[in-house]
Amino acid sequence: QLLLVESGGSVVLPGRSLRLSCVASGFTISNHAMHWVRQAPGKGLEWLAIISYDGGDETYADSVKGRFTISRDNSKNTLYAQLNNVSPDDTATYYCARGYCSRASCYTFDNWGQGTLVTVSS
Amino acid sequence: DIQMTQSPSSLSASVGDRVSITCQASQDISYYLNWYQQKPGKGPRLLIYDASNLEIGVPSRFSASGSGTEFTFTISSLQPEDIATYYCQQYEDLPITFGQGTRLEMK
Repeated sequence: QLLLVESGGSVVLPGRSLRLSCVASGFTISNHAMHWVRQAPGKGLEWLAIISYDGGDETYADSVKGRFTISRDNSKNTLYAQLNNVSPDDTATYYCARGYCSRASCYTFDNWGQGTLVTVSS
Repeated sequence: DIQMTQSPSSLSASVGDRVSITCQASQDISYYLNWYQQKPGKGPRLLIYDASNLEIGVPSRFSASGSGTEFTFTISSLQPEDIATYYCQQYEDLPITFGQGTRLEMK
């Protein structure tokens, strides 16, 4: 069974950093591009970042560029996100998602985790 | 950024009803559009990719069509388990953007 399980969400003070993890099972992430997508409470979906299958290429949304780092450890079948200098606007459920590739791009999200909640509050 | 506008924002329907949601893109995105279903407390589920292709395992009562700037998602006969929020997503250009969602409720 294909599964993505995020962890690392918590209540964090503004200006601090946090690291999220996403462990995959039932498939090998080294064969796939991977993404982070977030959803503020009661709001819609916002794509944040993609990392290529081998970690050699990353692309970010402008809203997090410079503060957000996506990374992966294929040997651990795990995806990571590092978010620095957080603000209340970063309060959201963060999802990892597997990228399905078509037209030489991998921006279809064919499997999602259940999400991990990050709350930024003093 | 490409803006994706879904309508309606919410919809109330009965079991067995035919339900349709539209998604309009602010510019031509060809067929580079996906549809997702999200139930409360869960991550989204891919239903339709490339505007009209049914994902494996998705019931055939779900369908979608369109290209360019106008897209339609349809449930041919609404079932109780279809109660969810539905999102369209374009991937013609970065940043990837989603519609604001359509909340489907049972009448």
